[in-house]
Amino acid sequence: GENVEQHPSTLSVQEGDSAVIKCTYSDSASNYFPWYKQELGKRPQLIIDIRSNVGEKKDQRIAVTLNKTAKHFSLHITETQPEDSAVYFCAASKIQAGTALIFGKGTTLSVSS
Amino acid sequence: GAVVSQHPSWVICKSGTSVKIECRSLDFQATTMFWYRQFPKQSLMLMATSNEGSKATYEQGVEKDKFLINHASLTLSTLTVTSAHPEDSSFYICSARDDGAPYSNQPQHFGDGTRLSIL
Repeated sequence: GENVEQHPSTLSVQEGDSAVIKCTYSDSASNYFPWYKQELGKRPQLIIDIRSNVGEKKDQRIAVTLNKTAKHFSLHITETQPEDSAVYFCAASKIQAGTALIFGKGTTLSVSS
Repeated sequence: GAVVSQHPSWVICKSGTSVKIECRSLDFQATTMFWYRQFPKQSLMLMATSNEGSKATYEQGVEKDKFLINHASLTLSTLTVTSAHPEDSSFYICSARDDGAPYSNQPQHFGDGTRLSIL
């Protein structure tokens, strides 16, 4: 089955700096890679996703890149703000219905002002 | 947007009690729903895939007799933790994909989760 590795487990940056979180996956058949932000005790919130037919996707300060050959994808947050502080999870799955998301172990991002 | 309603949000009960958690898709149909468990400061771990009208598929290491899943309709899946013990205390969260959404636009929708505390 799919296995997703995520690094780093913790990341501390100064406000305004960029943050990068990296994930690798094992199943070459996976073709859907979402990123979630989770605040304590709440549901994960989808912040951006990418499908395997594209290499990069951007939404304002957030971008995701995908390297299918190397089976890794990354989340890039620019101009970080204190409200970006949260736990971020990457995930991988096949986009077909009936396929679960397999999550990485999470990255705790702390943005200090 | 698509909404998944999960109840209860918080349960505290004595050891040995069975607890039922409901996951309901409010404005879409979901043939498949997923149940995850999240321990403090850990990731979401897939427990089982719930299939409408058929048996659930459990992940390795998850006891199917302890975590009973029923997917009675296209909008409701239930997870029953039978004879719960303190080690079952965790955050349980369900998710579902909209059967009617095109594959190119089909994220998973999460419930708010259930915090289960067994004394």
